[in-house]
Amino acid sequence: DIQMTQSPSSLSASVGDRVTITCRASQSIDNHLNWFQQTPGKAPKLLIFAESVLQSGVPSRFRGSASGTDFSLTISSLQPEDFATYFCQQSFITPYTFGQGTKLEI
Amino acid sequence: QVQLVQSGAEVKKPGSSVKVSCKASGGSFDTFTISWVRQAPGQGLEWMGRIIPVFGTANYAQKFQGRVTMTADRSTTTAYMELSSLRSDDTAIYYCARMIDQWNRFDPWGQGTLVTVSS
Repeated sequence: DIQMTQSPSSLSASVGDRVTITCRASQSIDNHLNWFQQTPGKAPKLLIFAESVLQSGVPSRFRGSASGTDFSLTISSLQPEDFATYFCQQSFITPYTFGQGTKLEI
Repeated sequence: QVQLVQSGAEVKKPGSSVKVSCKASGGSFDTFTISWVRQAPGQGLEWMGRIIPVFGTANYAQKFQGRVTMTADRSTTTAYMELSSLRSDDTAIYYCARMIDQWNRFDPWGQGTLVTVSS
């Protein structure tokens, strides 16, 4: 199975800050990297797919990037609604595996 | 706009089975692939498997092989996930999600179904 190593596991920030979450795949995943946002009691919501493509309706302050098997999610100016848990996921080879999650707290 | 609506919460005894449904609306069910993902309390996300309703073919994560069965009813545009031989560590929220295009995007997701396994 492909291992997705996500860091940090938690992150404290303030409104207006810029934050970056990283995810490393244990092998090549051919850009099949997705980022999800999950708020308490809700299902995950797709933010970014194909490592850097914004899902329709997602604000442009979210950006995905990659370097080899290292992937990053950057939020350029945190808004109150961005405080949530973020997960990366590889959708290249089954089983489709997720990172452990990053809880972004105020 | 595609919407997935799941069945309600369940409480099950260890050793029993549970069957969760996921009804799709607003889209062509025959073009869907449905994945099932679970999330134990306070934990991360775990992919369980997927089904292509138009073919009735399913692939399961090795961890669940022999315990999970995914089916779909095209006449009611509903997908099902049945998990047997339930244990306490199967207590989780179970989600269905549509997979689309060559990137295997998971969007949208159902609202989730809490399954509690307790004696």
